[in-house]
Amino acid sequence: EVQLVESGRGLVRPGGSLRLSCAGSGFTFSSYAMSWVRQPPGEGLEWVSTFSGSADTTYYADSVKGRFTISRDNSKNTLYLQVSSLRAEDTAVYYCARVAAHGYFDFWGQGVLVTVSS
Amino acid sequence: DIQMTQSPSTLSASVGDRVTITCRASESIGVWLAWYQQKPGKAPKLLISKASNLETGVPSRFSGSGSGTEFTLTISSLQPDDLATYYCQHYVTYFYSFGQGTKLEIK
Repeated sequence: EVQLVESGRGLVRPGGSLRLSCAGSGFTFSSYAMSWVRQPPGEGLEWVSTFSGSADTTYYADSVKGRFTISRDNSKNTLYLQVSSLRAEDTAVYYCARVAAHGYFDFWGQGVLVTVSS
Repeated sequence: DIQMTQSPSTLSASVGDRVTITCRASESIGVWLAWYQQKPGKAPKLLISKASNLETGVPSRFSGSGSGTEFTLTISSLQPDDLATYYCQHYVTYFYSFGQGTKLEIK
């Protein structure tokens, strides 16, 4: 059974940093691209970042480029998102998601809440 | 960037009704479109990929169609369990984007 479990939730002050983790199991983690998608309270879904499965290529939404860094450790079956220079508008539930062969998200974690507030 | 626009934003329907949600892309995305269902407090769940491919385990009352810039998600006979918000997502490039969502309410 595919499972994705996020951790790292927290309350952070504006300008602060946090590292989110996503542990995968039940599949060959290294074979898949992995993404982060976020959802502000009461709002819709926003794609944040993707780490490709084979080419070690990363992609970012314009809203987070230069502030967020996606990485992965295939030996630990874990995806990370380092979030820095946080703003109030970064407050959201952050989901990690497995990227199926062609680019849709076939499995999602339960999400982790990041709150940016002074 | 490709923009995805869903309509309506909110939809109220009765059990047994046929329901249709529309998703439009700002440029052609072929058939590279997915639909998700998100119930309150839960993570999204994949319903349909490649515009019309129903995921395993998804009830057959759900169907998707379309290509290019216009797509539809149809529920043939609405059930109480279908109370949720529905999102479309393109994946023609790595710079994915979602529609703003359609909240489905049961009358």
